Amino acid sequence: EAGVVQSPRYKIIEKKQPVAFWCNPISGHNTLYWYLQNLGQGPELLIRYENEEAVDDSQLPKDRFSAERLKGVDSTLKIQPAELGDSAVYLCASSLGNGKPYNEQFFGPGTRLTVL
Amino acid sequence: QKEVEQDPGPLSVPEGAIVSLNCTYSNSAFQYFMWYRQYSRKGPELLMYTYSSGNKEDGRFTAQVDKSSKYISLFIRDSQPSDSATYLCAIIRSGGYQKVTFGTGTKLQVIP
Repeated sequence: EAGVVQSPRYKIIEKKQPVAFWCNPISGHNTLYWYLQNLGQGPELLIRYENEEAVDDSQLPKDRFSAERLKGVDSTLKIQPAELGDSAVYLCASSLGNGKPYNEQFFGPGTRLTVL
Repeated sequence: QKEVEQDPGPLSVPEGAIVSLNCTYSNSAFQYFMWYRQYSRKGPELLMYTYSSGNKEDGRFTAQVDKSSKYISLFIRDSQPSDSATYLCAIIRSGGYQKVTFGTGTKLQVIP
């Protein structure tokens, strides 16, 4: 079974440019997460989707970040415009959405963003 | 104060050593405890999950939770070079769906 797929794996852009990350979750996983991981830190949740609905986006900087999950499968995270401080790894994860307090989250390899 | 504290290391041990990794947390509402392993340039993968005080063993790995002290540990026996990675503790509050709060991670290097 394929795991969580993310692309691109690496992205280098200049500040003020837009950038988009794509995620394809594990088949059948209703819940999708986007995390931000700074160097030497643990992942921090940006947004969580249950099917196509964003149910927790309290940590998403909405002035420059946006996300969508059309049809409840693939998801795209966008930054516009990017700032130097956005340099980090952006992780996507998915899990079964069965309402339990804990469901194992399966992570993709991440997209490493460098903003120059 | 962070909700979960973890020594970032790095921790360097010889092959075959017993490794002890630790985290402390601040809120007794946290009821679910996990350890993730993250290899360089990879996403985290779940190693162990527990929701009760005491020990849980899986092969060379033992997770220990002490809710009275708000202290969680991961022990690795007979450490191998392939165990070299960053280990992240993670916790979840009780009561419906709650987001996962990760520690900063401890970088471990096992030297052959």
